[in-house]
Formats: sequence, structure tokens, C-alpha cells
Amino acid sequence: GPKVLQIPSHQIIDMGQMVTLNCDPVSNHLYFYWYKQILGQQMEFLVNFYNGKVMEKSKLFKDQFSVERPDGSYFTLKIQPTALEDSAVYFCASSFGTGKDTQYFGPGTRLLVL
Amino acid sequence: GDSVTQTEGQVTVSESKSLIINCTYSATSIGYPNLFWYVRYPGEGLQLLLKVITAGQKGSSRGFEATYNKEATSFHLQKASVQESDSAVYYCALKNYGSSGNKLIFGIGTLLSVKP
Repeated sequence: GPKVLQIPSHQIIDMGQMVTLNCDPVSNHLYFYWYKQILGQQMEFLVNFYNGKVMEKSKLFKDQFSVERPDGSYFTLKIQPTALEDSAVYFCASSFGTGKDTQYFGPGTRLLVL
Repeated sequence: GDSVTQTEGQVTVSESKSLIINCTYSATSIGYPNLFWYVRYPGEGLQLLLKVITAGQKGSSRGFEATYNKEATSFHLQKASVQESDSAVYYCALKNYGSSGNKLIFGIGTLLSVKP
């Protein structure tokens, strides 16, 4: 089936630094998502993005978070500055449309903030 | 808000035995949410296993089935005879466009371990 890629698979950084997580969505998809899963907890929605704009975001999407997809390249999640509680696995997803359309997920980026 | 509760932790089943992973949901707003089962095999990303968007309907894929029961607000995942290759983490999820927009709301995941 359609593949979503995420780079890197693992990232370790010091608290306060900036990190950018990269997602290569399915090529003809128009909607992009980030989800966060802390170890032992449910995967939770962070944000979705369409046509260059944030459409929805949750309370987990703090001011230190930002997303963009410049010129149709990677869809990125940037955290600046990072905090200890940002340690989690971040999953990117994409879909062609909304409603009944399936969201396809990447394998996740495991972020550890020290 | 909307939520999903599923069998927690690990379920161990012997090969060729039957499986059920329980999932119940709570959804606000008029209308019915779309319901999903996703699966993550070791080392891979989350994959859609099956989805049902109409209450009362059954979805099936790879021998797995789940029926959208709106009276019981349940969407249990079942398989009559599991194989070792079914070992994975299974996530129940819902999308309730009327109240939660386009986001998926997930259960905590159930690790299925199939013993040979």
C-alpha cells in the first residue's frame, strides 16, 4: 500500500535545542498530520495541515511546535526549544481527503530529550 | 470528549486458536463515528487493518472481522484462527467528524503474541 516515510528514525538531543522531524507523505495526498505517543500511553493527535495552513491542533501542540511543508517537499514538525516532556514517538500521517479517507502512517521518529 | 477503550496490555494466544480484542467507544455529537482497527507489525508503521463507517456493518480483512455495534458502542476485533504472523500491536480508533474534526482518536493498543 501507500508508504509514508519518516526521517530520522531516532533522535537524541539536549533539552533546549531545536529539532526538526521530517515526513515524506504519500505523493498525491493533500492532508498531513502529526501524532504523538508517549511510552505506555495512547497515541494522540497533535495537528493537521492542508494547503499550507494548520487546520486543527490539539492542546498538546504547544507554542514551541511548528509545522510546514515548503514547496511540496517534506512535511516537518519543528520543536524549538525542546523540553523533557517532548520525549515520545512522533508519527506522521497523510490522507488524500478528509471524512472517510484513510490516513496512512509512517513508522515514527523516536525522540529522546535529555 | 470522544474516547476509545480497548483490551489493555498483552494478549497471548496459541496458533490456530480464536482471538477477540475488545474495543468500546464513547462519541459525542449526533451521528455515528467511523471506526477503525490499525495494526503495527514489528519494525513497521501503523497500517489500516479494517474500517467501518456505517453502524451495523461488519468489516473484514486478512481473516479479522469487526462489527460496528452502536447499541453496545463496541467494535471488537475477532479472528477464528490466529497465525504466528498476526503477532503485532492492534489499535482501535475512531473518527468523529461532527465533534472531533478529522483527527483519529486511538485506544492504547493491544499487543498480540501468538505462540507456535
